[in-house]
Amino acid sequence: QVQLVQSGAEVKKPGASVKVSCKASGYTFTSYGISWVRQAPGQGLEWMGWISAYNGNTNYAQKLQGRVTMTTDTSTSTAYMELRSLRSDDTAVYYCARGSSGWCDYWGQGTLVTVSS
Amino acid sequence: VIWMTQSPSLLSASTGDRVIISCRMSQGISSYLAWYQQKPGKAPELLIYAASTLQSGVPSRFSGSGSGTDFTLTISCLQSEDFATYYCQQYYSFPHTFGQGTKLEIK
Repeated sequence: QVQLVQSGAEVKKPGASVKVSCKASGYTFTSYGISWVRQAPGQGLEWMGWISAYNGNTNYAQKLQGRVTMTTDTSTSTAYMELRSLRSDDTAVYYCARGSSGWCDYWGQGTLVTVSS
Repeated sequence: VIWMTQSPSLLSASTGDRVIISCRMSQGISSYLAWYQQKPGKAPELLIYAASTLQSGVPSRFSGSGSGTDFTLTISCLQSEDFATYYCQQYYSFPHTFGQGTKLEIK
């Protein structure tokens, strides 16, 4: 069965970086892309970006350009999302989700990232 | 960027009711639209893609329609487990924006 298992919760200080992992299993990793979506406390879903696990092509949300990097490691079927220069409004649950044609059919369990001094 | 207007933001209904949630785009997106359900503390779950195709395992009381700029999610005969928040998402072009969400609560 398809599973996406994310790394655990993180607490970071403003200005620091965080790297969240998303380990995929149950399907051919390189046949799909991975989207990253975040949700601030009590808020809606925010699309952050997408990476092709086939060739590493990426597309990022404009507001995160320059602060976010998405990568994949095909040898371990793991996707990564790194966010730098963290601010308090980056506090959110971060989700990875499988998708190649646009929609996200399987989601990770979410990773809470708290940014606080 | 394609802007989305999802309405209503809050919907009160009773078990057995039929409800409709709307999503309107700032430009045409053909049928490149998905619908998700999210329950508190859980990851979203895909309900519908390509505007009207039901994801495997999703009950048939959920249906989607529309193309171009106007889309709807209909839930016929609400069940207790359907009370949740619903989001639309366009994937016609990057960024793959989400609607603001519709919280479906028990009346």
